[in-house]
Amino acid sequence: SAVISQKPSRDICQRGTSLTIQCQVDSQVTMMFWYRQQPGQSLTLIATANQGSEATYESGFVIDKFPISRPNLTFSTLTVSNMSPEDSSIYLCSVDQGGYTFGSGTRLTVV
Amino acid sequence: TQLLEQSPQFLSIQEGENLTVYCNSSSVFSSLQWYRQEPGEGPVLLVTVVTGGEVKKLKRLTFQFGDARKDSSLHITAAQPGDTGLYLCAGALDKLIFGTGTRLQVFP
Repeated sequence: SAVISQKPSRDICQRGTSLTIQCQVDSQVTMMFWYRQQPGQSLTLIATANQGSEATYESGFVIDKFPISRPNLTFSTLTVSNMSPEDSSIYLCSVDQGGYTFGSGTRLTVV
Repeated sequence: TQLLEQSPQFLSIQEGENLTVYCNSSSVFSSLQWYRQEPGEGPVLLVTVVTGGEVKKLKRLTFQFGDARKDSSLHITAAQPGDTGLYLCAGALDKLIFGTGTRLQVFP
């Protein structure tokens, strides 16, 4: 299965600022998925990122708040923009290769 | 709307006990996956079940997919402290939908 390197692993950010999370996969994949896991809760899909096209966002998530880049088949970024304390969560990237593989997550705390 | 409900939400047991976690939905899934997540890590895939009624075993873990492909169960025999973690079911529709999660703690 694929190996995903995600960074940063954690960050504490001031409200109103933005944070960009990076995911690097050790093999080429068509789609990459970005999830949010709020404290003590399950995973919610934010968007699906395809290389060469705009990401597809799930209900409740918009591009202005969570812009995504997918410059090639092994890399993607998710930016959390204009952060508020409600954005404090774990953010995870994932790929599907007959079973989803996840990065280790980015634990974001907004103060 | 949460499509996959897991029960129980929390489970705290002694080493050696058996337990079952349930994952229920009103939707039919093409497949269903179980993951375990430990603190500071992403979820790790345990198993994928595809066929209605399918049973898969992974050492002390037994996974079953309901006949109608709407529900699943995870049974752990003789739980060990290393089984501690967050267990998540996830159903495949046009995307992967995660269940509400079951947090298991096994005390020595």
